[in-house]
Amino acid sequence: EVQLVESGGGLVQPGGSLRLSCAASGFTFSSYEMNWVRQAPGKGLEWVSYISSSDGTIYYADSVKGRFTISRDNAKNSLYLQMNSLRAEDTAVYYCAREGNVWTTFDLWGQGTLVTVSS
Amino acid sequence: QSVLTQPPSVSGAPGQRVTISCTGSSSNIGAGYDVHWYQQLPGTAPKLLIYGNSNRPSGVSDRFSGSKSGTSASLAITGLQAEDEADYYCQSYDSSLSAPYVFGTGTKVTVL
Repeated sequence: EVQLVESGGGLVQPGGSLRLSCAASGFTFSSYEMNWVRQAPGKGLEWVSYISSSDGTIYYADSVKGRFTISRDNAKNSLYLQMNSLRAEDTAVYYCAREGNVWTTFDLWGQGTLVTVSS
Repeated sequence: QSVLTQPPSVSGAPGQRVTISCTGSSSNIGAGYDVHWYQQLPGTAPKLLIYGNSNRPSGVSDRFSGSKSGTSASLAITGLQAEDEADYYCQSYDSSLSAPYVFGTGTKVTVL
């Protein structure tokens, strides 16, 4: 089955760190660009970060630049998001999303993992 | 912040047609970049509904259609059904920001 499964969310104090993982299966992970998208409680979707399939190109939203680091391990079919210096406003469900064959389209999403930043 | 503007909510009776607008600017939709639409049912992850302005992925009902003109795009739902009650988001690429992917503000569709 073609799917993405996120893990690693939880409750963390402000200023803390957390590492999210996204396990891909059912498709050739190394061929696809990947993204993280988040959704704060009751709010809309916000793109967070992008990583290319193999050439190392990476982008971040201004809101997370310098604090979050996206990475991937194609051998393990996995995508990661290292989140440091977490703030209350980072509280959200974090989704990993595959960029499809049509440029800029997110054609496959995981179920999401909730990150709560609170003391 | 979102650079694509959508109405917060639209509603319609079963069987009716509703449309959702997505207004951008000359650095995204107006620059010719494609618009995609996602449906998010309550408590679930978003799902690709329309890609490349007007194309439906396999398995998506033909009651959903998309269009684009100038700096705006629209999603139409015909024959509205109870199962269509969800949040809908447009998305495009923006060349002016350091964040290349932009989502719309989202629209809640309510079936009366």
